[in-house]
Amino acid sequence: GQNIDQPTEMTATEGAIVQINCTYQTSGFNGLFWYQQHAGEAPTFLSYNVLDGLEEKGRFSSFLSRSKGYSYLLLKELQMKDSASYLCAVSVNDMRFGAGTRLTVKP
Amino acid sequence: EAQVTQNPRYLITVTGKKLTVTCSQNMNHEYMSWYRQDPGLGLRQIYYSMNVEVTDKGDVPEGYKVSRKEKRNFPLILESPSPNQTSLYFCASSLGGLMNTEAFFGQGTRLTVV
Repeated sequence: GQNIDQPTEMTATEGAIVQINCTYQTSGFNGLFWYQQHAGEAPTFLSYNVLDGLEEKGRFSSFLSRSKGYSYLLLKELQMKDSASYLCAVSVNDMRFGAGTRLTVKP
Repeated sequence: EAQVTQNPRYLITVTGKKLTVTCSQNMNHEYMSWYRQDPGLGLRQIYYSMNVEVTDKGDVPEGYKVSRKEKRNFPLILESPSPNQTSLYFCASSLGGLMNTEAFFGQGTRLTVV
Protein backbone atom coordinates (compact mmCIF):
# COMPACT_ATOMS: atom_id res chain seq x y z
CA GLY A 1 0.00 0.00 0.00
CA GLN A 2 0.89 3.65 -0.06
CA ASN A 3 1.18 5.57 3.19
CA ILE A 4 1.95 9.22 3.65
CA ASP A 5 1.78 10.36 7.25
CA GLN A 6 1.95 13.82 8.76
CA PRO A 7 0.68 15.28 12.04
CA THR A 8 -2.93 16.42 11.99
CA GLU A 9 -2.49 19.73 13.77
CA MET A 10 0.28 21.99 15.04
CA THR A 11 0.32 25.33 16.83
CA ALA A 12 3.15 27.85 16.89
CA THR A 13 3.78 31.46 17.87
CA GLU A 14 4.25 34.36 15.51
CA GLY A 15 7.96 34.92 14.83
CA ALA A 16 8.93 31.38 15.80
CA ILE A 17 10.17 28.42 13.74
CA VAL A 18 8.06 25.31 13.11
CA GLN A 19 8.94 21.98 11.51
CA ILE A 20 6.25 19.84 9.89
CA ASN A 21 7.26 16.24 9.36
CA CYS A 22 6.16 13.81 6.68
CA THR A 23 6.96 10.11 6.42
CA TYR A 24 6.09 8.00 3.42
CA GLN A 25 6.05 4.44 2.17
CA THR A 26 5.27 4.26 -1.53
CA SER A 27 5.88 1.87 -4.41
CA GLY A 28 8.16 4.16 -6.39
CA PHE A 29 9.35 7.71 -5.96
CA ASN A 30 9.68 10.58 -8.42
CA GLY A 31 9.91 13.36 -5.88
CA LEU A 32 8.21 14.93 -2.89
CA PHE A 33 6.15 18.11 -2.91
CA TRP A 34 4.87 20.46 -0.24
CA TYR A 35 1.74 22.51 -0.86
CA GLN A 36 0.06 25.18 1.22
CA GLN A 37 -3.72 25.34 1.41
CA HIS A 38 -5.70 28.08 3.12
CA ALA A 39 -9.17 27.12 4.26
CA GLY A 40 -11.59 26.78 1.35
CA GLU A 41 -8.93 27.59 -1.23
CA ALA A 42 -6.87 25.65 -3.74
CA PRO A 43 -3.49 24.17 -2.76
CA THR A 44 -0.50 26.17 -3.94
CA PHE A 45 3.00 24.86 -4.59
CA LEU A 46 5.71 25.49 -1.99
CA SER A 47 8.62 23.17 -2.73
CA TYR A 48 9.89 20.09 -4.53
CA ASN A 49 12.65 17.67 -3.46
CA VAL A 50 13.90 14.79 -5.54
CA LEU A 51 17.44 14.45 -4.13
CA ASP A 52 18.45 14.12 -0.48
CA GLY A 53 19.15 17.33 1.33
CA LEU A 54 17.76 20.74 2.07
CA GLU A 55 16.09 23.10 -0.38
CA GLU A 56 15.75 26.68 0.84
CA LYS A 57 13.33 29.23 -0.53
CA GLY A 58 12.99 32.37 1.54
CA ARG A 59 11.34 31.65 4.88
CA PHE A 60 10.48 28.11 3.80
CA SER A 61 12.88 25.15 3.57
CA SER A 62 12.23 21.52 2.76
CA PHE A 63 14.37 18.50 3.56
CA LEU A 64 14.34 15.01 2.10
CA SER A 65 15.90 11.70 3.12
CA ARG A 66 14.93 9.04 0.59
CA SER A 67 16.55 6.20 2.54
CA LYS A 68 14.42 7.04 5.57
CA GLY A 69 11.27 7.90 3.64
CA TYR A 70 11.20 11.22 5.47
CA SER A 71 10.76 14.87 4.71
CA TYR A 72 10.11 18.02 6.66
CA LEU A 73 8.98 21.53 5.88
CA LEU A 74 10.61 24.25 7.97
CA LEU A 75 8.88 27.60 8.32
CA LYS A 76 10.89 30.44 9.83
CA GLU A 77 9.81 33.83 11.18
CA LEU A 78 6.21 32.70 11.32
CA GLN A 79 3.54 35.17 10.30
CA MET A 80 -0.18 35.07 10.98
CA LYS A 81 -0.81 34.50 7.28
CA ASP A 82 1.08 31.19 7.53
CA SER A 83 -1.92 29.71 9.31
CA ALA A 84 -3.01 27.11 6.78
CA SER A 85 -2.88 23.41 6.01
CA TYR A 86 0.38 22.03 4.67
CA LEU A 87 0.15 19.03 2.36
CA CYS A 88 2.93 16.55 1.77
CA ALA A 89 2.64 14.78 -1.60
CA VAL A 90 4.73 12.03 -3.16
CA SER A 91 5.01 11.65 -6.92
CA VAL A 92 4.77 8.01 -7.97
CA ASN A 93 3.01 7.37 -11.29
CA ASP A 94 0.62 10.01 -10.07
CA MET A 95 0.51 12.37 -7.13
CA ARG A 96 -0.39 10.98 -3.70
CA PHE A 97 -1.19 13.31 -0.85
CA GLY A 98 -1.01 13.02 2.89
CA ALA A 99 -4.03 14.17 4.89
CA GLY A 100 -2.38 17.50 5.62
CA THR A 101 -1.19 19.33 8.74
CA ARG A 102 -3.29 22.24 9.96
CA LEU A 103 -0.96 24.91 11.34
CA THR A 104 -2.30 27.65 13.59
CA VAL A 105 -0.05 30.64 14.22
CA LYS A 106 -0.88 32.55 17.40
CA PRO A 107 0.18 36.10 18.32
CA GLU B 1 -2.65 34.54 -16.86
CA ALA B 2 -1.81 30.85 -16.38
CA GLN B 3 -4.71 29.17 -14.66
CA VAL B 4 -6.94 26.18 -14.14
CA THR B 5 -10.63 27.05 -14.26
CA GLN B 6 -13.35 24.93 -12.73
CA ASN B 7 -17.09 25.42 -13.01
CA PRO B 8 -19.29 25.62 -11.14
CA ARG B 9 -17.75 26.72 -7.83
CA TYR B 10 -20.78 25.61 -5.85
CA LEU B 11 -23.46 23.08 -6.73
CA ILE B 12 -26.36 21.57 -4.85
CA THR B 13 -28.10 18.72 -6.63
CA VAL B 14 -30.41 15.81 -5.96
CA THR B 15 -29.57 12.14 -5.91
CA GLY B 16 -29.50 10.57 -9.36
CA LYS B 17 -29.41 13.75 -11.43
CA LYS B 18 -26.47 13.62 -13.82
CA LEU B 19 -24.00 16.47 -13.57
CA THR B 20 -20.72 17.58 -15.11
CA VAL B 21 -18.01 19.69 -13.52
CA THR B 22 -15.84 21.34 -16.14
CA CYS B 23 -12.08 21.92 -15.90
CA SER B 24 -9.98 23.86 -18.35
CA GLN B 25 -6.30 24.85 -18.32
CA ASN B 26 -4.49 27.34 -20.53
CA MET B 27 -0.91 26.18 -19.95
CA ASN B 28 -0.75 23.41 -22.57
CA HIS B 29 -0.18 20.87 -19.79
CA GLU B 30 -0.21 17.20 -20.64
CA TYR B 31 -1.19 15.90 -17.21
CA MET B 32 -4.56 16.61 -15.63
CA SER B 33 -6.28 15.05 -12.65
CA TRP B 34 -9.31 15.22 -10.39
CA TYR B 35 -9.27 15.01 -6.59
CA ARG B 36 -11.86 15.04 -3.89
CA GLN B 37 -11.08 16.44 -0.46
CA ASP B 38 -12.90 15.33 2.65
CA PRO B 39 -12.16 16.27 6.28
CA GLY B 40 -9.45 14.07 7.78
CA LEU B 41 -8.83 12.25 4.51
CA GLY B 42 -6.89 14.80 2.53
CA LEU B 43 -6.85 14.89 -1.24
CA ARG B 44 -7.76 11.62 -2.89
CA GLN B 45 -7.30 11.13 -6.58
CA ILE B 46 -10.35 10.17 -8.65
CA TYR B 47 -8.99 9.99 -12.19
CA TYR B 48 -5.97 11.29 -14.04
CA SER B 49 -4.98 11.77 -17.65
CA MET B 50 -1.48 11.66 -19.08
CA ASN B 51 -2.54 13.14 -22.43
CA VAL B 52 -5.41 13.38 -24.88
CA GLU B 53 -7.54 10.21 -24.97
CA VAL B 54 -5.46 8.66 -22.14
CA THR B 55 -7.18 8.35 -18.76
CA ASP B 56 -6.59 6.15 -15.71
CA LYS B 57 -8.33 5.46 -12.45
CA GLY B 58 -7.00 6.94 -9.25
CA ASP B 59 -7.80 5.77 -5.72
CA VAL B 60 -11.52 6.50 -5.66
CA PRO B 61 -12.97 6.27 -9.21
CA GLU B 62 -16.30 4.59 -8.41
CA GLY B 63 -19.27 6.69 -9.44
CA TYR B 64 -17.24 9.03 -11.64
CA LYS B 65 -16.34 9.30 -15.31
CA VAL B 66 -13.91 11.54 -17.16
CA SER B 67 -12.98 12.29 -20.74
CA ARG B 68 -9.99 13.95 -22.37
CA LYS B 69 -10.97 14.76 -25.93
CA GLU B 70 -8.74 17.80 -26.11
CA LYS B 71 -5.66 18.84 -24.17
CA ARG B 72 -7.11 21.80 -22.33
CA ASN B 73 -10.32 20.24 -20.99
CA PHE B 74 -10.89 17.43 -18.50
CA PRO B 75 -14.54 17.27 -17.36
CA LEU B 76 -15.68 15.18 -14.40
CA ILE B 77 -19.01 13.44 -14.87
CA LEU B 78 -21.25 12.05 -12.15
CA GLU B 79 -23.83 9.91 -13.95
CA SER B 80 -25.97 9.26 -10.89
CA PRO B 81 -24.75 11.30 -7.92
CA SER B 82 -25.26 9.99 -4.41
CA PRO B 83 -24.94 11.75 -1.02
CA ASN B 84 -21.55 10.13 -0.36
CA GLN B 85 -20.19 12.15 -3.28
CA THR B 86 -20.79 15.34 -1.34
CA SER B 87 -17.29 16.78 -1.20
CA LEU B 88 -14.90 19.50 -2.30
CA TYR B 89 -13.48 18.71 -5.74
CA PHE B 90 -10.26 20.00 -7.25
CA CYS B 91 -8.96 19.75 -10.78
CA ALA B 92 -5.19 20.03 -11.28
CA SER B 93 -2.78 20.14 -14.19
CA SER B 94 0.98 19.88 -14.58
CA LEU B 95 3.50 19.90 -17.38
CA GLY B 96 5.15 16.53 -16.77
CA GLY B 97 3.57 13.15 -17.17
CA LEU B 98 5.49 11.71 -14.23
CA MET B 99 4.27 14.49 -11.98
CA ASN B 100 7.79 15.74 -11.30
CA THR B 101 6.64 19.27 -11.87
CA GLU B 102 4.36 21.33 -9.70
CA ALA B 103 0.63 20.96 -10.06
CA PHE B 104 -1.66 23.93 -10.58
CA PHE B 105 -5.06 23.59 -8.99
CA GLY B 106 -8.43 25.01 -9.89
CA GLN B 107 -10.37 26.96 -7.25
CA GLY B 108 -12.47 23.98 -6.30
CA THR B 109 -16.09 22.91 -6.66
CA ARG B 110 -18.11 22.37 -3.53
CA LEU B 111 -20.73 19.76 -4.36
CA THR B 112 -23.67 18.83 -2.15
CA VAL B 113 -25.88 15.90 -3.11
CA VAL B 114 -29.16 15.69 -1.22
